[in-house]
Amino acid sequence: GAVVSQHPSWVICKSGTSVKIECRSLDFQATTMFWYRQFPKQSLMLMATSNEGSKATYEQGVEKDKFLINHASLTLSTLTVTSAHPEDSSFYICSARDLEFIYGYTFGSGTRLTVV
Amino acid sequence: RKEVEQDPGPFNVPEGATVAFNCTYSNSASQSFFWYRQDCRKEPKLLMSVYSSGNEDGRFTAQLNRASQYISLLIRDSKLSDSATYLCVVYQAGTALIFGKGTTLSVSS
Repeated sequence: GAVVSQHPSWVICKSGTSVKIECRSLDFQATTMFWYRQFPKQSLMLMATSNEGSKATYEQGVEKDKFLINHASLTLSTLTVTSAHPEDSSFYICSARDLEFIYGYTFGSGTRLTVV
Repeated sequence: RKEVEQDPGPFNVPEGATVAFNCTYSNSASQSFFWYRQDCRKEPKLLMSVYSSGNEDGRFTAQLNRASQYISLLIRDSKLSDSATYLCVVYQAGTALIFGKGTTLSVSS
């Protein structure tokens, strides 16, 4: 089946630094990638949607200059949390789908970010 | 009004019990419906799709009522390994999956 590899699994960083999270589709072409954030005891909230080669579309309330998304190839999308603050501490998960929706939505294993 | 609403629980049941979760969604244009399972600190995993005719997968039965915009999941003969958070998920064409907050189930021996 389809697999999305997400790295790192967890990261602890200092306030003010930037963190990059990678998601790779291993055996299919991820034409669309979704980035979610989940706070404790909350649902997954969609942050942005990116199509390969295009600028990402951000959900209302998500700062595009803070959460930089790059989807330069059909197998790789990255989310960079710039100038991270403690309130950015959360569980970030990517989800990918292929153009013909053969594999449905495939989730990465998530990245637990803690900003201290 | 939230797009997908679920009773957060927690539901605490003994092994062997039958438990039902409910979910409502607000957008009548929603096309596809799913139940996902999420274990603590893990990514959500697809449990089953939900069809209008109702569908069953082993001990799990899902129902959809489009008129009431209501989805349900029934788990029979609960196992300890069923302890998790169950997410009601809705899909509209051209969008990402929309998740409910989840219902937490704890099965005890």
